[in-house]
Amino acid sequence: TQLLEQSPQFLSIQEGENLTVYCNSSSVFSSLQWYRQEPGEGPVLLVTVVTGGEVKKLKRLTFQFGDARKDSSLHITAAQPGDTGLYLCAGRGRSWGKLQFGAGTQVVVTP
Amino acid sequence: DAGITQSPRHKVTETGTPVTLRCHQTENHRYMYWYRQDPGHGLRLIHYSYGVKDTDKGEVSDGYSVSRSKTEDFLLTLESATSSQTSVYFCAISESKTGVIMGNQPQHFGDGTRLSIL
Repeated sequence: TQLLEQSPQFLSIQEGENLTVYCNSSSVFSSLQWYRQEPGEGPVLLVTVVTGGEVKKLKRLTFQFGDARKDSSLHITAAQPGDTGLYLCAGRGRSWGKLQFGAGTQVVVTP
Repeated sequence: DAGITQSPRHKVTETGTPVTLRCHQTENHRYMYWYRQDPGHGLRLIHYSYGVKDTDKGEVSDGYSVSRSKTEDFLLTLESATSSQTSVYFCAISESKTGVIMGNQPQHFGDGTRLSIL
């Protein structure tokens, strides 16, 4: 089993502040995905990164895949209350179709 | 909208009783998955299916069985529920009708079933 460790587990910040969530593993992944989950709902895909060193931006969210494809980060600029949620990273290794999920980072943005 | 419906959405039952959760999809996707989500553990794969009557175990399959007699339905059964199986259960599909999973294909999730076993 390829373990994905997310940090921090919980993050509470004020509106307008920046935050970074990390996703680390000792294993190499062919791709890595970030999901956001809101209470009472299933996770929803935010982005997929495939190439080592890849950086993707989604409005105020910036995702980076490590050069060795073992780690990733999610950076939110000027966080808003609507960014509140559980952020999950998920890596896909060699075994097709199956994703390995991290434990998640709960982000709370207060006005 | 990936057209995934889970039922029931909530269930409370007693230890030792059988429980079946249903996942229904409307998009004819080949791959379907059952996960459980617990605090501190994220999503853990229970079983998955890669076609009608084709299923395989995930990392936490003990105490669970699945069946897929039709493309659109994937059932998860707890033969004799235990308190340790209290959890939120999610069904998911992968967007691949051709049988090939590519690295960048997302999984789409249902809204979950909250199961409490007393």
